[in-house]
Amino acid sequence: AQSVTQLGSHVSVSEGALVLLRCNYSSSVPPYLFWYVQYPNQGLQLLLKYTTGATLVKGINGFEAEFKKSETSFHLTKPSAHMSDAAEYFCAVTGGGNKLTFGTGTQLKVEL
Amino acid sequence: EAGVTQFPSHSVIEKGQTVTLRCDPISGHDNLYWYRRVMGKEIKFLLHFVKESKQDESGMPNNRFLAERTGGTYSTLKVQPAELEDSGVYFCASSQERGKTGAYEQYFGPGTRLTVT
Repeated sequence: AQSVTQLGSHVSVSEGALVLLRCNYSSSVPPYLFWYVQYPNQGLQLLLKYTTGATLVKGINGFEAEFKKSETSFHLTKPSAHMSDAAEYFCAVTGGGNKLTFGTGTQLKVEL
Repeated sequence: EAGVTQFPSHSVIEKGQTVTLRCDPISGHDNLYWYRRVMGKEIKFLLHFVKESKQDESGMPNNRFLAERTGGTYSTLKVQPAELEDSGVYFCASSQERGKTGAYEQYFGPGTRLTVT
């Protein structure tokens, strides 16, 4: 069984500041991990994924995440926030099967 | 290439009525999934089709929900009769067959917002 915990349902940062969205997972098998983003009135868009190999993965729009097995974490970061990054972000895990288990989501607000 | 499409985008129905949601996956994607997000909670898995067969329906809440995927193309999710707790956003996603590059990437549609009053 898998589970995901996203710390902070709302995160606010200033434009240009570091974005850090936290995700911890639990999985009884080697996990595949994903970050999705949902912009207003749109569907979920895949930001990045970790399956195997390099633990630091880069995604679209300057985001990256690092898989840390010892900490069971997959935190999402971006060095410099932009107003267009304001959206809801979801961390998800699958145990190599197909169905995704999602966290509750983090709403990112970017302020001037 | 067209993405995953869902119809309708919004539906408002009264308790006891029937609603049918439709999902058209990306062409060539064998895997089709339904998920639901109830307000304020996480997105939860409902079921998974591989072509026209139900691979996993462990997330279906009860027998008021019926999903079909005739011919292995589009899928429908019927709720009959609808209850207040069925309100939420229903997402559909599709992915390539296992073994292909990117098989684990699920592409999501925009969702159908269902409101039961």
